[in-house]
Amino acid sequence: SQQGEEDPQALSIQEGENATMNCSYKTSINNLQWYRQNSGRGLVHLILIRSNEREKHSGRLRVTLDTSKKSSSLLITASRAADTASYFCATAAHNAGNMLTFGGGTRLMVKP
Amino acid sequence: DAEITQSPRHKITETGRQVTLACHQTWNHNNMFWYRQDLGHGLRLIHYSYGVHDTNKGEVSDGYSVSRSNTEDLPLTLESAASSQTSVYFCASSDKQYFGPGTRLTVT
Repeated sequence: SQQGEEDPQALSIQEGENATMNCSYKTSINNLQWYRQNSGRGLVHLILIRSNEREKHSGRLRVTLDTSKKSSSLLITASRAADTASYFCATAAHNAGNMLTFGGGTRLMVKP
Repeated sequence: DAEITQSPRHKITETGRQVTLACHQTWNHNNMFWYRQDLGHGLRLIHYSYGVHDTNKGEVSDGYSVSRSNTEDLPLTLESAASSQTSVYFCASSDKQYFGPGTRLTVT
């Protein structure tokens, strides 16, 4: 079973618009991470947010974490066609060492 | 530059054959992981290691084995390949995980 579940499964937007993806999880976590995967490639780490943090920024990325709702969101502002990819959240559970559990991903398409 | 590599990148094998997928990292990370990625399932953890001679089972370990004889390598072995093991396999190292490029395995 998957710890993280992304929503929506697919998202299509126009270049310049913002894209928001959500992730829900089930157990207590140490941290939550977001990854990006271009078609046919490996995953690239985007951002890590710890359980005691509520918001984190990196360039055009903004991640929020609500541990009371066991949910996180990834916002990509001013999207570009090059942002087209699949985005995955992954959780590191409290009692699971460095193991990550991945969600099924959101496929984002940014149309030029 | 330090990196993580996987080989082969593509492999076609027959049912029942033993297959070994290689993963090599030059970051000197203690933690290494193997995942498989299938449509509708995201990434699922097969095996992982926290250091030399340490191996642990993940969510979908049946039919797979790993060994860790040094820090750099974590080879994944399919003892007797099955069609259900057709997938894309990713190796990763460290806790903020750096992923290899993947191996696409087809079992016919």
